Amino acid sequence: DAGVTQSPTHLIKTRGQQVTLRCSPKSGHDTVSWYQQALGQGPQFIFQYYEEEERQRGNFPDRFSGHQYPNYSSELNVNALLLGDSALYLCASSLKARRGGETQYFGPGTRLLVL
Amino acid sequence: SQQGEEDPQALSIQEGENATMNCSYKTSINNLQWYRQNSGRGLVHLILIRSNEREKHSGRLRVTLDTSKKSSSLLITASRAADTASYFCATVVKAAGNKLTFGGGTRVLVKP
Repeated sequence: DAGVTQSPTHLIKTRGQQVTLRCSPKSGHDTVSWYQQALGQGPQFIFQYYEEEERQRGNFPDRFSGHQYPNYSSELNVNALLLGDSALYLCASSLKARRGGETQYFGPGTRLLVL
Repeated sequence: SQQGEEDPQALSIQEGENATMNCSYKTSINNLQWYRQNSGRGLVHLILIRSNEREKHSGRLRVTLDTSKKSSSLLITASRAADTASYFCATVVKAAGNKLTFGGGTRVLVKP
């Protein structure tokens, strides 16, 4: 049973660039959530995708956008990178978001460094 | 803003001792979950406790929930060096779907 996978594992970008992070959910899961975790802090919710639509969004600017494909995999895009975007980006998958409260399974994360 | 806040921020114990950490939150919840994170890697789900439950056990883990005090505790019994990690509580609020709102975490060091 494949767990949540993310790519790449590490990434270095410069200010102003754009980045795309990828996530494949756990087998059988249909919902993908993205979180940003700054060093020494807890993860912060970015947004959640279900049925190829953004269903919920946290307090992040429009520079953060996403997509979900029919196979439930997802991408997180960040435009006009800022130094403060340096963080660990975590993808989590779950089943049937509308029911609420289901356990989320996290991938290993993508560590983004913006110089 | 963070819904859950863990206490203490850091904990250092000897192998074999028990480790207890607490989580407080602000609004009514659907459930509360505890996660473990090793060395800045992905989070591992430990246990979920629903708002109508008071206590749950999983192996060496014991979680309590007091909705009147809006607090939860995680007890790790007979700790091992492999339990060294950061532990996070995360709440799911009824009106907010199933997004997780995390606290800042408790960093636990278990010395052999």
